[in-house]
Amino acid sequence: GAGVSQSPSNKVTEKGKDVELRCDPISGHTALYWYRQSLGQGLEFLIYFQGNSAPDKSGLPSDRFSAERTGGSVSTLTIQRTQQEDSAVYLCASSLEGGAHFNTEAFFGQGTRLTVV
Amino acid sequence: GENVEQHPSTLSVQEGDSAVIKCTYSDSASNYFPWYKQELGKRPQLIIDIRSNVGEKKDQRIAVTLNKTAKHFSLHITETQPEDSAVYFCAASRWGKIIFGKGTRLHILP
Repeated sequence: GAGVSQSPSNKVTEKGKDVELRCDPISGHTALYWYRQSLGQGLEFLIYFQGNSAPDKSGLPSDRFSAERTGGSVSTLTIQRTQQEDSAVYLCASSLEGGAHFNTEAFFGQGTRLTVV
Repeated sequence: GENVEQHPSTLSVQEGDSAVIKCTYSDSASNYFPWYKQELGKRPQLIIDIRSNVGEKKDQRIAVTLNKTAKHFSLHITETQPEDSAVYFCAASRWGKIIFGKGTRLHILP
């Protein structure tokens, strides 16, 4: 079946503009994650959705960042008033179950490379 | 919240030798510890994982060990090959939330 799909693959935007990044998780996966990877750096946690629970937004770096997940499936990450330091690869991942007693493999999408000029 | 420290940041080993990457975590309630490999320009992919009720797990040339008391876990790669060159990330998870270390860039020298 299809893996995690992200769009667009690349996005170049002007400083100050808003951008929306999309993630289509694997069908049936209840857990969805967003991470940010700056050039040559690690995987910085941004936000985590699990089923119908309130999302864990503790990793969002500022109030310019927000994310939603509609119908327990597709997720969008929105960055308002983009800054040059927002340039990075934004990775989405999904897993079958992310509950307290049952963790499973998280599958990553190919990422969206965001460049703010 | 959870904090995962990973060492070293860069590791060079001769082909055929072993490589060891070490991680520590801060949240004693974390119960799942996956390791991901990311090749240049590609997405991270799971290579092995271990749960908190297990002390060691092996899959061919790779093995992971977990010391819950010390909150320490390690990845061991034996008989390294050129295709092992990549960035490796450890992670710790509690309640499904996965926090990654900063990664180790592994170079396999010919």
